[in-house]
Amino acid sequence: QKEVEQNSGPLSVPEGAIASLNCTYSDRGSQSFFWYRQYSGKSPELIMSIYSNGDKEDGRFTAQLNKASQYVSLLIRDSQPSDSATYLCAVKRNGNNRLAFGKGNQVVVIP
Amino acid sequence: GAVVSQHPSWVICKSGTSVKIECRSLDFQATTMFWYRQFPKQSLMLMATSNEGSKATYEQGVEKDKFLINHASLTLSTLTVTSAHPEDSSFYICSARGTGYHEQYFGPGTRLTVT
Repeated sequence: QKEVEQNSGPLSVPEGAIASLNCTYSDRGSQSFFWYRQYSGKSPELIMSIYSNGDKEDGRFTAQLNKASQYVSLLIRDSQPSDSATYLCAVKRNGNNRLAFGKGNQVVVIP
Repeated sequence: GAVVSQHPSWVICKSGTSVKIECRSLDFQATTMFWYRQFPKQSLMLMATSNEGSKATYEQGVEKDKFLINHASLTLSTLTVTSAHPEDSSFYICSARGTGYHEQYFGPGTRLTVT
């Protein structure tokens, strides 16, 4: 079982719609969860971090964490063409330096 | 805040030569920095973790004598690719984590082409 799994993409959404991305992780000791956005040819950019169960909203982004079910999700509301990118889920265990990354989900927002 | 820079942004070198890439945290102190490599359309691959003032920890399969990492200060880590070969051509990205924080911030990356 992979440490972090993201469902296969790409995900095509019309402009203005909600894009929903899911991520599951295998290690129950994981405590810190992140979503990164990576444009083609660029490095990842941190867009959300979440540490406790529930929802966390930042602008058009909402991260949701459910530790009991070991999943974390990202919602992008009012999707814009500039949101077209690959979204990486990353998980960190307390006391462990490294992040475990999922393979990423490509999102394509269609004008 | 939380800006990480890398230099150079791209470099072309001849096979057999060495290349040094710098990674700097501009507005925070980073006890830990990470070096990744990414081939086209592939996932990020962690190469090594470096802590200021100590030896880097390399991931399995990464040659420590080929990829020399130095983390000499809380704001600077360097990666030197020694005796570069065309198969070392890749996108090298560093990231840094502030002391006492969980978030990791990435630099813009360095595109290395070995001819």
